[in-house]
Amino acid sequence: EDKVVQSPLSLVVHEGDTVTLNCSYEVTNFRSLLWYKQEKKAPTFLFMLTSSGIEKKSGRLSSILDKKELFSILNITATQTGDSAVYLCAVVGATNKLIFGTGTLLAVQP
Amino acid sequence: GAVVSQHPSRVICKSGTSVKIECRSLDFQATTMFWYRQFPKQSLMLMATSNEGSKATYEQGVEKDKFLINHASLTLSTLTVTSAHPEDSSFYICSALAGGFVYTQYFGPGTRLTVL
Repeated sequence: EDKVVQSPLSLVVHEGDTVTLNCSYEVTNFRSLLWYKQEKKAPTFLFMLTSSGIEKKSGRLSSILDKKELFSILNITATQTGDSAVYLCAVVGATNKLIFGTGTLLAVQP
Repeated sequence: GAVVSQHPSRVICKSGTSVKIECRSLDFQATTMFWYRQFPKQSLMLMATSNEGSKATYEQGVEKDKFLINHASLTLSTLTVTSAHPEDSSFYICSALAGGFVYTQYFGPGTRLTVL
Protein backbone atom coordinates (compact mmCIF):
# COMPACT_ATOMS: atom_id res chain seq x y z
CA GLU A 1 0.00 0.00 0.00
CA ASP A 2 1.30 3.44 -0.93
CA LYS A 3 2.26 5.50 2.09
CA VAL A 4 3.59 8.97 2.88
CA VAL A 5 4.96 9.81 6.32
CA GLN A 6 5.87 13.30 7.43
CA SER A 7 7.86 14.38 10.43
CA PRO A 8 7.74 16.07 12.77
CA LEU A 9 3.98 16.23 13.21
CA SER A 10 4.30 19.70 14.65
CA LEU A 11 7.01 22.24 15.24
CA VAL A 12 7.26 25.54 17.08
CA VAL A 13 10.08 27.93 16.22
CA HIS A 14 10.91 31.60 16.59
CA GLU A 15 11.15 34.09 13.79
CA GLY A 16 14.49 33.89 12.06
CA ASP A 17 15.01 30.20 12.74
CA THR A 18 15.65 27.69 9.99
CA VAL A 19 13.43 24.61 9.82
CA THR A 20 13.65 21.31 7.99
CA LEU A 21 10.54 19.27 7.32
CA ASN A 22 10.78 15.63 6.35
CA CYS A 23 8.76 13.44 4.05
CA SER A 24 9.38 9.74 3.45
CA TYR A 25 7.37 7.59 1.13
CA GLU A 26 6.66 4.13 -0.15
CA VAL A 27 4.91 4.11 -3.49
CA THR A 28 4.67 1.84 -6.48
CA ASN A 29 6.21 3.34 -9.62
CA PHE A 30 7.09 6.71 -8.17
CA ARG A 31 6.45 9.59 -10.54
CA SER A 32 6.71 12.78 -8.52
CA LEU A 33 6.63 14.32 -5.07
CA LEU A 34 4.87 17.58 -4.31
CA TRP A 35 4.94 20.00 -1.41
CA TYR A 36 1.95 22.17 -0.48
CA LYS A 37 1.29 24.86 2.11
CA GLN A 38 -2.11 24.83 3.77
CA GLU A 39 -3.32 27.81 5.78
CA LYS A 40 -6.79 26.90 7.10
CA LYS A 41 -8.07 26.47 3.58
CA ALA A 42 -7.07 24.53 0.52
CA PRO A 43 -3.43 23.68 -0.15
CA THR A 44 -1.32 25.92 -2.32
CA PHE A 45 1.40 24.43 -4.47
CA LEU A 46 5.03 24.94 -3.51
CA PHE A 47 7.24 22.49 -5.36
CA MET A 48 7.20 19.43 -7.54
CA LEU A 49 10.21 17.11 -7.52
CA THR A 50 10.88 14.28 -9.89
CA SER A 51 14.65 13.89 -9.97
CA SER A 52 17.06 13.09 -7.17
CA GLY A 53 19.55 15.61 -5.96
CA ILE A 54 18.23 18.64 -7.80
CA GLU A 55 17.27 21.39 -5.41
CA LYS A 56 14.19 23.44 -6.11
CA LYS A 57 14.25 26.91 -4.62
CA SER A 58 11.75 29.69 -4.18
CA GLY A 59 12.80 32.57 -1.99
CA ARG A 60 13.44 31.27 1.50
CA LEU A 61 12.01 27.86 0.69
CA SER A 62 13.91 25.02 -0.90
CA SER A 63 13.37 21.32 -1.36
CA ILE A 64 15.28 18.30 -2.53
CA LEU A 65 14.43 14.68 -3.28
CA ASP A 66 16.39 11.49 -2.63
CA LYS A 67 14.85 8.69 -4.68
CA LYS A 68 17.31 6.13 -3.40
CA GLU A 69 16.43 6.69 0.24
CA LEU A 70 12.81 7.56 -0.61
CA PHE A 71 12.53 10.89 1.12
CA SER A 72 12.39 14.61 0.58
CA ILE A 73 13.06 17.61 2.78
CA LEU A 74 11.60 21.08 2.73
CA ASN A 75 13.79 23.81 4.18
CA ILE A 76 12.60 27.22 5.26
CA THR A 77 15.26 29.75 6.22
CA ALA A 78 14.77 32.95 8.21
CA THR A 79 11.25 31.93 9.13
CA GLN A 80 8.51 34.54 9.46
CA THR A 81 5.15 34.39 11.22
CA GLY A 82 3.53 34.19 7.79
CA ASP A 83 5.19 30.82 7.30
CA SER A 84 2.93 29.35 10.00
CA ALA A 85 0.84 26.69 8.28
CA VAL A 86 0.48 22.99 7.69
CA TYR A 87 2.97 21.73 5.13
CA LEU A 88 1.76 18.78 3.14
CA CYS A 89 3.81 16.31 1.16
CA ALA A 90 2.14 14.24 -1.55
CA VAL A 91 3.43 11.63 -3.97
CA VAL A 92 2.19 10.38 -7.28
CA GLY A 93 2.72 6.76 -8.19
CA ALA A 94 1.20 4.10 -10.36
CA THR A 95 -2.33 5.07 -9.43
CA ASN A 96 -1.72 8.54 -10.86
CA LYS A 97 -3.38 10.12 -7.83
CA LEU A 98 -2.06 12.40 -5.12
CA ILE A 99 -1.34 10.52 -1.90
CA PHE A 100 -0.92 12.93 0.96
CA GLY A 101 0.98 12.65 4.20
CA THR A 102 -0.54 13.84 7.47
CA GLY A 103 1.33 17.10 7.28
CA THR A 104 3.63 19.05 9.58
CA LEU A 105 2.09 21.89 11.56
CA LEU A 106 4.59 24.73 11.74
CA ALA A 107 4.07 27.57 14.18
CA VAL A 108 6.46 30.52 13.94
CA GLN A 109 6.39 32.73 17.01
CA PRO A 110 7.39 36.41 16.89
CA GLY B 1 -2.85 31.03 -11.88
CA ALA B 2 -5.95 28.91 -12.30
CA VAL B 3 -8.79 29.58 -9.89
CA VAL B 4 -11.17 27.06 -8.41
CA SER B 5 -14.12 28.10 -6.28
CA GLN B 6 -16.32 26.16 -3.92
CA HIS B 7 -19.72 26.98 -2.58
CA PRO B 8 -20.74 27.12 0.17
CA SER B 9 -17.63 27.74 2.23
CA ARG B 10 -19.36 26.60 5.37
CA VAL B 11 -22.60 24.73 6.02
CA ILE B 12 -24.32 23.53 9.14
CA CYS B 13 -27.18 21.10 8.76
CA LYS B 14 -29.32 18.72 10.76
CA SER B 15 -28.73 15.00 10.73
CA GLY B 16 -30.65 13.31 7.93
CA THR B 17 -30.61 16.20 5.49
CA SER B 18 -28.72 16.36 2.20
CA VAL B 19 -26.08 18.93 1.40
CA LYS B 20 -24.80 19.94 -2.04
CA ILE B 21 -21.33 21.38 -2.53
CA GLU B 22 -20.34 23.01 -5.80
CA CYS B 23 -16.86 23.13 -7.30
CA ARG B 24 -16.18 25.44 -10.22
CA SER B 25 -13.13 26.07 -12.32
CA LEU B 26 -13.37 29.78 -13.06
CA ASP B 27 -10.88 30.40 -15.82
CA PHE B 28 -10.23 27.02 -17.35
CA GLN B 29 -12.06 23.89 -18.37
CA ALA B 30 -11.56 20.76 -16.35
CA THR B 31 -12.66 17.39 -17.63
CA THR B 32 -11.43 15.90 -14.38
CA MET B 33 -12.05 17.10 -10.86
CA PHE B 34 -11.21 15.44 -7.57
CA TRP B 35 -13.04 15.43 -4.25
CA TYR B 36 -11.08 15.12 -1.03
CA ARG B 37 -12.09 14.95 2.60
CA GLN B 38 -9.99 16.13 5.51
CA PHE B 39 -10.79 15.30 9.12
CA PRO B 40 -9.24 17.39 11.91
CA LYS B 41 -5.50 16.93 12.20
CA GLN B 42 -5.50 14.43 9.37
CA SER B 43 -4.41 14.74 5.80
CA LEU B 44 -6.45 14.99 2.65
CA MET B 45 -7.97 11.72 1.58
CA LEU B 46 -9.16 11.29 -1.98
CA MET B 47 -12.82 10.35 -2.08
CA ALA B 48 -13.54 10.23 -5.78
CA THR B 49 -12.50 11.30 -9.22
CA SER B 50 -15.14 13.19 -11.16
CA ASN B 51 -15.09 13.03 -14.95
CA GLU B 52 -17.19 15.28 -17.13
CA GLY B 53 -19.92 13.38 -18.87
CA SER B 54 -19.29 10.06 -17.16
CA LYS B 55 -19.68 8.38 -13.81
CA ALA B 56 -17.37 9.25 -10.98
CA THR B 57 -14.77 6.81 -9.78
CA TYR B 58 -14.88 6.28 -6.04
CA GLU B 59 -12.03 5.27 -3.76
CA GLN B 60 -12.28 2.14 -1.70
CA GLY B 61 -14.48 2.61 1.34
CA VAL B 62 -16.36 5.63 -0.03
CA GLU B 63 -20.07 4.97 -0.50
CA LYS B 64 -21.16 6.16 -3.93
CA ASP B 65 -24.82 6.23 -2.92
CA LYS B 66 -24.04 8.50 -0.01
CA PHE B 67 -21.69 10.85 -1.80
CA LEU B 68 -23.31 11.65 -5.12
CA ILE B 69 -21.09 13.32 -7.68
CA ASN B 70 -22.29 15.03 -10.82
CA HIS B 71 -19.86 16.57 -13.31
CA ALA B 72 -22.35 18.08 -15.72
CA SER B 73 -20.09 20.58 -17.44
CA LEU B 74 -16.42 21.30 -18.01
CA THR B 75 -16.41 23.88 -15.24
CA LEU B 76 -18.72 22.42 -12.59
CA SER B 77 -18.75 19.36 -10.38
CA THR B 78 -21.10 18.88 -7.47
CA LEU B 79 -20.85 16.65 -4.43
CA THR B 80 -24.07 15.84 -2.59
CA VAL B 81 -23.81 14.33 0.86
CA THR B 82 -27.07 12.47 1.25
CA SER B 83 -28.70 11.82 4.60
CA ALA B 84 -25.80 13.44 6.38
CA HIS B 85 -24.79 12.27 9.83
CA PRO B 86 -22.48 13.81 12.42
CA GLU B 87 -19.64 11.52 11.34
CA ASP B 88 -19.79 13.17 7.90
CA SER B 89 -18.71 16.44 9.47
CA SER B 90 -15.45 17.29 7.79
CA PHE B 91 -13.62 19.67 5.48
CA TYR B 92 -14.40 18.85 1.86
CA ILE B 93 -11.97 20.11 -0.78
CA CYS B 94 -12.24 19.82 -4.52
CA SER B 95 -9.54 20.24 -7.10
CA ALA B 96 -9.63 20.66 -10.85
CA LEU B 97 -7.12 19.24 -13.26
CA ALA B 98 -5.78 22.00 -15.47
CA GLY B 99 -3.44 19.91 -17.54
CA GLY B 100 -2.78 16.35 -18.51
CA PHE B 101 -0.86 15.44 -15.39
CA VAL B 102 -2.21 14.75 -11.93
CA TYR B 103 0.09 17.29 -10.38
CA THR B 104 -1.56 20.12 -12.30
CA GLN B 105 -4.40 20.18 -9.80
CA TYR B 106 -5.71 23.47 -8.51
CA PHE B 107 -7.53 23.27 -5.21
CA GLY B 108 -10.69 25.03 -4.17
CA PRO B 109 -10.90 26.84 -0.82
CA GLY B 110 -12.83 23.99 0.79
CA THR B 111 -16.23 23.59 2.42
CA ARG B 112 -16.58 23.06 6.16
CA LEU B 113 -19.55 20.76 6.78
CA THR B 114 -20.95 20.41 10.28
CA VAL B 115 -23.80 17.97 10.82
CA LEU B 116 -25.65 18.40 14.09
